[in-house]
Amino acid sequence: DIVMTQSPDSLAVSLGERATINCKSSQSVLYSSNNKNYLAWYQQKPGQPPKVLIYWASTRESGVPDRFSGSGSGTDFTLTISSLQAEDVAVYYCQQHYSTPITFGQGTRLEIK
Amino acid sequence: VQLQQSGPGLVKPSQTLSLTCAISGDSVSSNSAAWNWVRQSPSRGLEWLGRTYYRSKWYNDYAVSVKGRITINPDTSKNEFSLQLNSVTPEDTAVYYCARRRPDLAFDIWGQGTMVTVSS
Repeated sequence: DIVMTQSPDSLAVSLGERATINCKSSQSVLYSSNNKNYLAWYQQKPGQPPKVLIYWASTRESGVPDRFSGSGSGTDFTLTISSLQAEDVAVYYCQQHYSTPITFGQGTRLEIK
Repeated sequence: VQLQQSGPGLVKPSQTLSLTCAISGDSVSSNSAAWNWVRQSPSRGLEWLGRTYYRSKWYNDYAVSVKGRITINPDTSKNEFSLQLNSVTPEDTAVYYCARRRPDLAFDIWGQGTMVTVSS
């Protein structure tokens, strides 16, 4: 199984400041035939299911604000929120969908400082 | 596209957990979707359980952690899919979600979640 490890476990950032969350996979999730990383980022608020923000490591899902961006390739990935808004308080998860079993990171709790 | 979950929130130990996910706006028989079950608990985090999908015939994949106890079945007449988990223990207590995945993409549509408690 591919193990996904996120850092940090929790993060407090001031409103308007940048938030950065890291994700490392135990093996590459880059699919060589199409040069795409099968890595997604989700946001989960209390009482709600996860919501996809980013797929293919850097492609924003339709309707997701452009302050959210994803980067990285192979085994190391980053989710960046360029200017934190109050509504961004949530838990964020990375997920690999390169191979089954599909696996998730342990989550990063983002709060306002 | 919407997914609507139904099923009991309390199951006794050793019995079978059964949940259903009704699909609107898409088809369980679609050649461009896979239909998944995911659960979430404080101890295990988000855990993918398995999927069913149709590509000229039906396929299923299951997580090793529940293999032998899990069945995911499509119901084309009702346009829904179901989860059955046998011989449950308190460790199966979790919020269960159904979710759609399109080929090569992430889980873009989720059900509302069902909190299932395993307790006598």
